[in-house]
Amino acid sequence: GENVEQHPSTLSVQEGDSAVIKCTYSDSASNYFPWYKQELGKRPQLIIDIRSNVGEKKDQRIAVTLNKTAKHFSLHITETQPEDSAVYFCAARAETSGSRLTFGEGTQLTVNP
Amino acid sequence: DAGVIQSPRHEVTEMGQEVTLRCKPISGHNSLFWYRQTMMRGLELLIYFNNNVPIDDSGMPEDRFSAKMPNASFSTLKIQPSEPRDSAVYFCASSFWGGSYEQYFGPGTRLTVT
Repeated sequence: GENVEQHPSTLSVQEGDSAVIKCTYSDSASNYFPWYKQELGKRPQLIIDIRSNVGEKKDQRIAVTLNKTAKHFSLHITETQPEDSAVYFCAARAETSGSRLTFGEGTQLTVNP
Repeated sequence: DAGVIQSPRHEVTEMGQEVTLRCKPISGHNSLFWYRQTMMRGLELLIYFNNNVPIDDSGMPEDRFSAKMPNASFSTLKIQPSEPRDSAVYFCASSFWGGSYEQYFGPGTRLTVT
């Protein structure tokens, strides 16, 4: 089955800096890659996603890139703010897995004022 | 849309008691997922349904756990008997299988077993 690895597990940046979180996946049939943000005590919330026919997608200060050949995708957050502090999860869906998502272990992002 | 609805939001029970968690998926969604989240294990998929049919229950910890989806708008996760190690946040999520596959989570049920 699909395996998703996420790095780093913790990331600390200064307000205004950029943050990058990287994920690799194992199943070349994967075609859908969402990112979730989970604030303390809250539910995971979908913040951006990308499909395998697209290399990059941007939404204001966040962007996601996909490299199908290398089987990795990344989340980029620019001009970070304290409210970006949260745990971020990447996930992948393989065609053979039906509707199931395989999640990474999560990255704790801390933005220091 | 109200989003995914879960109840109760908090449950405190004693070891050995039966616990039932409830979920109402987003209207029109045909896939439903039950997850468990703990600090030690992270986010684990317990079971998921497509069109009310259980597809993969390999994540269910043991026979004490059972899940049902009697119709498209309701699912339950039952733990009987409950144990302290079952203490966790249980999330329900739903998506549209065959469509966008965007998965949306409910607010979760925080279960504490003493």
